[in-house]
Amino acid sequence: EVQLVESGGDLVQPGGSLRLSCAASGFTFSGYSMNWVRQAPGKGPEWISYISSSGVSKHYADSVKGRFTISRDNAKNSLLLEMSSLRADDTAMYYCARGASAAGFEWFDPWGQGTLVTVSS
Amino acid sequence: QSVLTQPPSVSGAPGQRVTISCTGSSSNIGAGSDVHWYQQLPGTVPKLLIYRNSNRPSGVPDRFSGSKSGTSASLVISGLQAEDEADYYCQSYDSSLTGFVFGDGTKVTVL
Repeated sequence: EVQLVESGGDLVQPGGSLRLSCAASGFTFSGYSMNWVRQAPGKGPEWISYISSSGVSKHYADSVKGRFTISRDNAKNSLLLEMSSLRADDTAMYYCARGASAAGFEWFDPWGQGTLVTVSS
Repeated sequence: QSVLTQPPSVSGAPGQRVTISCTGSSSNIGAGSDVHWYQQLPGTVPKLLIYRNSNRPSGVPDRFSGSKSGTSASLVISGLQAEDEADYYCQSYDSSLTGFVFGDGTKVTVL
């Protein structure tokens, strides 16, 4: 069974930093791209970052570019998201999601259960 | 305000057919980007419902169907059931934003 388990969410002050992790199991992690998607309370999902299966290619949404860094360790089947200069509008549930693609178009399946990040003083 | 526009809500009686639209532009759906749909039941994680415009993953009932034309896509639920009450989101790729985008979501209510 494919499993994605996020951790690292916490209450952090504005301007602070946080590191999220996603542990993958049940599939060949190194064969899939991975993504981080967040969902603010009462809002729809927002894609924030993509990393290719090898880790070479990375992309970010404008809302987090320059503040967040995605990485992966294929030997440890783990996905990471380093977040800095956090703002109140970064408050959300953060999901890791496996990428699936064909003809260059990517969708997200499955999603983990999420880890909650709250940015507040 | 998302680049993919969905109606905030749709409703129908059990057994009825409901359609959810997802309207994009020439930089996403109109540029040929595929559209994918997710269902989020209350208090749960989004789940893939339709991929590449019209394909259902294993386990998704065939009362769910998707299509795409021009700058828009649609999700149809035929034979609405009580357990279909959820939020539905479309997703695509936008070449101007060079990233993946979601619609703001449509809440389906079963009357």
